[in-house]
Amino acid sequence: GAVVSQHPSWVICKSGTSVKIECRSLDFQATTMFWYRQFPKQSLMLMATSNEGSKATYEQGVEKDKFLINHASLTLSTLTVTSAHPEDSSFYICSARDIDGLSGANVLTFGAGSRLTVL
Amino acid sequence: GDSVTQMEGPVTLSEEAFLTINCTYTATGYPSLFWYVQYPGEGLQLLLKATKADDKGSNKGFEATYRKETTSFHLEKGSVQVSDSAVYFCALSGSSGYSTLTFGKGTMLLVSP
Repeated sequence: GAVVSQHPSWVICKSGTSVKIECRSLDFQATTMFWYRQFPKQSLMLMATSNEGSKATYEQGVEKDKFLINHASLTLSTLTVTSAHPEDSSFYICSARDIDGLSGANVLTFGAGSRLTVL
Repeated sequence: GDSVTQMEGPVTLSEEAFLTINCTYTATGYPSLFWYVQYPGEGLQLLLKATKADDKGSNKGFEATYRKETTSFHLEKGSVQVSDSAVYFCALSGSSGYSTLTFGKGTMLLVSP
């Protein structure tokens, strides 16, 4: 089945530095990828929709200059947390849209997530 | 807008007990419905899905039936195992063709031996 690889799986950085997280669709092309943030004991919050070859669409309340998204190819989207601060510490999850071969329905495949800790 | 409501957890069961996790939704049109599972320290995995009314999704002994009349997609398993301990998310994908998901808040399941 479809596989989405997310890297790194965990990262610790100092306050003020920038961190890049990669999301790759390994065996399918994804024109659309999504970035989510998960707070402890809470559900996923959609941050932005990443479209290949165009600017990302950010959800209300998400700072686009803080969370830079680039979708340069059909298999790779990156999320860069710029000038990270402790409040940015969270679990970031990406997903990529694929088409189910039997039903034709859109199905999202998720990466394993990246845990960011900002000291 | 679209929304998903799940029963609050944690749900604590003994091994081999019957499991039901309730999920109801609000959406326009005919959304697709999903259950995702998140094991400790991992990302989300698709557990099962249903794309139209009366469809039953099933996987690993879990089942859920798309009930449009009650706008529900309850997750069930006849006999849970310790390895089923995880957080379960109900989600829907709108019928507009834009496939972003709306998630419920998740229900933690704890199964003891």
